[in-house]
Amino acid sequence: QQPVQSPQAVILREGEDAVINCSSSKALYSVHWYRQKHGEAPVFLMILLKGGEQKGHDKISASFNEKKQQSSLYLTASQLSYSGTYFCGTDPYYGGSQGNLIFGKGTKLSVKP
Amino acid sequence: DVKVTQSSRYLVKRTGEKVFLECVQDMDHENMFWYRQDPGLGLRLIYFSYDVKMKEKGDIPEGYSVSREKKERFSLILESASTNQTSMYLCASSQGGSGQPQHFGDGTRLSIL
Repeated sequence: QQPVQSPQAVILREGEDAVINCSSSKALYSVHWYRQKHGEAPVFLMILLKGGEQKGHDKISASFNEKKQQSSLYLTASQLSYSGTYFCGTDPYYGGSQGNLIFGKGTKLSVKP
Repeated sequence: DVKVTQSSRYLVKRTGEKVFLECVQDMDHENMFWYRQDPGLGLRLIYFSYDVKMKEKGDIPEGYSVSREKKERFSLILESASTNQTSMYLCASSQGGSGQPQHFGDGTRLSIL
């Protein structure tokens, strides 16, 4: 039931783009994205609700394909500050959820100068 | 800003001890969560609570219990600590229902000797 994230790790140069995928075997109500820098708490980036919407946050955006049960996080023109581990959290319940999420194992992103 | 405070950043205990990890949030959130984070495994849910005195098992509840006597405080208890419980423990809170972002504390790195 744990969503599968790919790739497990990626190394970029500043200014390059990256895509991180999150796939679930179950139908999803929402997908959450978080970033965790080394030694720090995970920080919320964005939520995508069912409906196939796309969201943006500065140069980081995400899409949610409900039919494919998949979400993708897009990092455009990466900056050094984007380095960290990215987690997706999935909520598989329709309506009756208490808000608990199932997190993927994470994708480690390293941006080099 | 939401503040989730975990009582200790680092903790060292001995096998067989009863260990208490405390978490306090200041945003009147209904939901509170305890996760365990291990390298390569992502965030795994131990227990969560959606109301005072209410608790639900997560994916890995064995060896743990929780207590929520007040809305702002959620405690994780290791009944008889074992070495395989050495890990990073993260507390989070969110507003009630699904589709709400979770806000994380800085974590407690627990070592069981």
